[in-house]
Amino acid sequence: DIVMTQSPDSLAVSLGERATINCKSSQSVLYSSNNKNYLAWYQQKPGQPPKLLIYWASTRKSGVPDRFSGSGSGTDFTLTISGLQPEDVAVYYCQQYYSTPPWTFGQGTKLEIK
Amino acid sequence: QVQLVESGGGVVQPGRSLTLSCAASGFTFSNYGMHWVRQAPGKGLEWVAAVSYDGSQTYYADSVKGRFTISRDNSKNTLYLHMNSLRADDTAVYYCAQVPFLEWFGGWFDPWGQGTLVTVSS
Repeated sequence: DIVMTQSPDSLAVSLGERATINCKSSQSVLYSSNNKNYLAWYQQKPGQPPKLLIYWASTRKSGVPDRFSGSGSGTDFTLTISGLQPEDVAVYYCQQYYSTPPWTFGQGTKLEIK
Repeated sequence: QVQLVESGGGVVQPGRSLTLSCAASGFTFSNYGMHWVRQAPGKGLEWVAAVSYDGSQTYYADSVKGRFTISRDNSKNTLYLHMNSLRADDTAVYYCAQVPFLEWFGGWFDPWGQGTLVTVSS
């Protein structure tokens, strides 16, 4: 199974500043035949289900604000929130869909306002 | 728009059974694979089970294999999770989720239902 490890477990960022969340997979999730990274990012606010933010590691879902961006390849990935807003307070998860089953998630990163 | 609505959660004693349902609307249900994902209180996300668009293929997490059964009724646009031999560590919110590709259950999960809470306790 591919193990997904996020860092940090929690972080506090000032409003308007940049938040960076890292995700590392235990093996590459890059499929060489199509050069796509099989990685997604989700946002979960308290009492709500997770919401998809990004897929293919860097493709933003329609309607997601452009302050959210994903980057990385192979085993190392980053979710960046540029210009943190109060509504961005949430837990963020990465997930791989390269080697399934099982579909595996990172442990989550809790983002708060400093 | 696409909507997934789970039901069937509740309090159940250890060793007993429970069946969850997920009613789908807003898309051609019979064309897409479906999944169950759970989240224990205060914990992260754990994938539970997957079923292909036609119900012919199923996959399970090791933690539920042999105890849970995923199924679907495409005539009713409904996904099910039959849970047997429930244990305290099965206590969680259970979400159903769609995957994006026609006739395949790979990919990311979007959208998710609101979830239904299952509490296993004596």
